[in-house]
Amino acid sequence: EPEVTQTPSHQVTQMGQEVILRCVPISNHLYFYWYRQILGQKVEFLVSFYNNEISEKSEIFDDQFSVERPDGSNFTLKIRSTKLEDSAMYFCASTVGRGLAGGELFFGEGSRLTVL
Amino acid sequence: DAKTTQPTSMDCAEGRAANLPCNHSTISGNEYVYWYRQIHSQGPQYIIHGLKNNETNEMASLIITEDRKSSTLILPHATLRDTAVYYCIVSPPGFQKLVFGTGTRLLVSP
Repeated sequence: EPEVTQTPSHQVTQMGQEVILRCVPISNHLYFYWYRQILGQKVEFLVSFYNNEISEKSEIFDDQFSVERPDGSNFTLKIRSTKLEDSAMYFCASTVGRGLAGGELFFGEGSRLTVL
Repeated sequence: DAKTTQPTSMDCAEGRAANLPCNHSTISGNEYVYWYRQIHSQGPQYIIHGLKNNETNEMASLIITEDRKSSTLILPHATLRDTAVYYCIVSPPGFQKLVFGTGTRLLVSP
């Protein structure tokens, strides 16, 4: 069964360092997303991406964050200068299309980021 | 903010049906009801969605009231592996994001 894969599964970094989280969406999917979940809190939308550009982003997704699809398979989330409050589980997701066809989001297993 | 209200937690005996309610009294005519679940700290998993008709798939059934102000997710024969947090989400069909609430923590016991 096709799945969304994420690497690394866990990353520990020092405050102020740059972090790149990587995702390989399902191959025929066209819409890509990042969500995050701070420990014990809700799953929160960060950004959606389609046709090589951001289509929507939340207020959390400030200038410290960026996303990129550097090639035909990877989708990355970069945090330029990490803060303690960036510690969370980051989930990548993808869908075939927008709207009813995109009703089912396929999520990866997540990348746990710990900022010290 | 989430537009749904769900009980904080529920218990179910293994092998029994688990009926998880959700209130969405402010749902708009074009909004769908989606159910996802999150097992431990894994990524959320899609279960089912519907507009106004009842829906069934291999995982669950979704019963939506006629006025669409509430719905029930039914797991017909709950197993220990169904222990998870279940999220009821309403969203228009052209959605770009899912807004997760706190969900219902379902504990299935032997």
